[in-house]
Amino acid sequence: EAQVTQNPRYLITVTGKKLTVTCSQNMNHEYMSWYRQDPGLGLRQIYYSMNVEVTDKGDVPEGYKVSRKEKRNFPLILESPSPNQTSLYFCASRRPGGGSPLHFGNGTRLTVT
Amino acid sequence: RKEVEQDPGPFNVPEGATVAFNCTYSNSASQSFFWYRQDCRKEPKLLMSVYSSGNEDGRFTAQLNRASQYISLLIRDSKLSDSATYLCVVFTGGGNKLTFGTGTQLKVEL
Repeated sequence: EAQVTQNPRYLITVTGKKLTVTCSQNMNHEYMSWYRQDPGLGLRQIYYSMNVEVTDKGDVPEGYKVSRKEKRNFPLILESPSPNQTSLYFCASRRPGGGSPLHFGNGTRLTVT
Repeated sequence: RKEVEQDPGPFNVPEGATVAFNCTYSNSASQSFFWYRQDCRKEPKLLMSVYSSGNEDGRFTAQLNRASQYISLLIRDSKLSDSATYLCVVFTGGGNKLTFGTGTQLKVEL
């Protein structure tokens, strides 16, 4: 089954404790992206990657890091999480080209206390 | 002005009603358009792409008006199961960017 898999689904952590949210896709998509979703603000792009070893900032990259060492994986790293990073996070992938839709993972709900 | 704007709703409609949502976009160079459906706190799922000539998928019809820079989604004979948030998504090729509207909430009631 074609899918984007995120882990964990739920994560509660404390300020400053480094964490990684994993994302993997089995559709051989070149493009992968991370979003956060907050009430009233919609989905905002954090980082995206056009291919292996090619990453770029989205609209809200501060406080986040990513890496793309393999085509299928695109982890999101929070080196020193803060409470304002409490949010619902989605990973997504798609084929290149404007007509290709995004396929989303099922989300990670992060709470930073 | 936001790049992609939607009326947040909620739109409360009776079962069987026809309901329409609009979404406006600011970048005239936008190339591709999509409607996604999102159930509460779950991942967005593609409902349909929007083609220049308009397209239909069962009870759902999507249209694009490039001159006025908006897309629309029409739902006929609405069902309780149509209750969700509908997200408008716009692709702009220059920045290879997909921009999401904040969504329109639909509640279908008995």
